[in-house]
Amino acid sequence: DSGVTQTPKHLITATGQRVTLRCSPRSGDLSVYWYQQSLDQGLQFLIQYYNGEERAKGNILERFSAQQFPDLHSELNLSSLELGDSALYFCASSVEGLNTGELFFGEGSRLTVL
Amino acid sequence: GDSVTQMEGPVTLSEEAFLTINCTYTATGYPSLFWYVQYPGEGLQLLLKATKADDKGSNKGFEATYRKETTSFHLEKGSVQVSDSAVYFCALSEYQNFVFGPGTRLSVLP
Repeated sequence: DSGVTQTPKHLITATGQRVTLRCSPRSGDLSVYWYQQSLDQGLQFLIQYYNGEERAKGNILERFSAQQFPDLHSELNLSSLELGDSALYFCASSVEGLNTGELFFGEGSRLTVL
Repeated sequence: GDSVTQMEGPVTLSEEAFLTINCTYTATGYPSLFWYVQYPGEGLQLLLKATKADDKGSNKGFEATYRKETTSFHLEKGSVQVSDSAVYFCALSEYQNFVFGPGTRLSVLP
């Protein structure tokens, strides 16, 4: 158990809909990262927050947005969903915001868009 | 920008065979290097890491040495087990950036 909690574990929805994925980092970790893992197993970095502030942004679509709340949990919002958004979405956390240490991953949220 | 390249899979080995998964990186400075493993149905977990040149990371019989001169961090294990079947990701971190390779799927047959 990494200590990172993601909900929901599975989600099935239709094209055009909007979903919210939630992540609770390990106790004490200030940084939260979101990754998308497609069926061909590649990991795509989406966005990073550190102590409530956006720290780095990857290839995140404009239809996607995220935030980190004062209690350090984070939410990833995916809107106007398309079939190609079907993927496993991982949240990870770390103690520092400087990316020199280990990332702790949650078990992921599997999104299926029909 | 920073990047990580690793050998494409899948890699299929018999139990007790020797494993090497190649990983090379491109970075502007002096990154930390990692190997993560993803078992079926699970998230990624850190397997080993090295933070400076010539460091050797090791865990669960796996080893990797940070080679600055060849910008490499190859993963090795002398004798794989069926339980090692998983996807292995090489990664680096530098400044505000964490970069993963595409992953290599390993299947170990009894």
